[in-house]
Amino acid sequence: EDQVTQSPEALRLQEGESSSLNCSYTVSGLRGLFWYRQDPGKGPEFLFTLYSAGEEKEKERLKATLTKKESFLHITAPKPEDSATYLCAVRGLTGGGNKLTFGTGTQLKVEL
Amino acid sequence: EAQVTQNPRYLITVTGKKLTVTCSQNMNHEYMSWYRQDPGLGLRQIYYSMNVEVTDKGDVPEGYKVSRKEKRNFPLILESPSPNQTSLYFCASSLSFSNTGELFFGEGSRLTVL
Repeated sequence: EDQVTQSPEALRLQEGESSSLNCSYTVSGLRGLFWYRQDPGKGPEFLFTLYSAGEEKEKERLKATLTKKESFLHITAPKPEDSATYLCAVRGLTGGGNKLTFGTGTQLKVEL
Repeated sequence: EAQVTQNPRYLITVTGKKLTVTCSQNMNHEYMSWYRQDPGLGLRQIYYSMNVEVTDKGDVPEGYKVSRKEKRNFPLILESPSPNQTSLYFCASSLSFSNTGELFFGEGSRLTVL
């Protein structure tokens, strides 16, 4: 069974204080690891896809990295508008390669 | 504007009263899916559809039905809702099966069953 564990559950940062969110996973035949952002009262918004260990993707202040067991979402010099819940999901061979398993998210709050 | 539209956004109903949550996408996506989101449990897949007339169960299909008669629409039907179906529901779509992880989500439908 595929599993995704995200840590920490909640994180409070000062504006400009860089940090990282962790996503640990176990999956049968990784077909992709995905990061989403979810604002309160909204649906998740797709951010990144990573396919293989060593791969990195960047978007503004966010950078996602991948190893064989975990992924990190690095947030550089965050701003209050980066406050959101960040979700990680994996797709493996389970369910014919169709199944996405989500973690429960890290709730990030960036304060002035 | 590319979007996934769900209705209703909020609904309070009573046990046993059939209801339908509609979902429509305007991106010509082949793949559509329904999720429920509960505190501490994350997003769990209810049903998915790889194309018109092709649907299959996800992780938590009990108590739900779906249909995919048109490419753009994927309604979620609760034939006899129960309180344990109180949840936040999301419809999502992607271009095709191979893009399953890169989903466009709707805004969500918050359902309360009394």
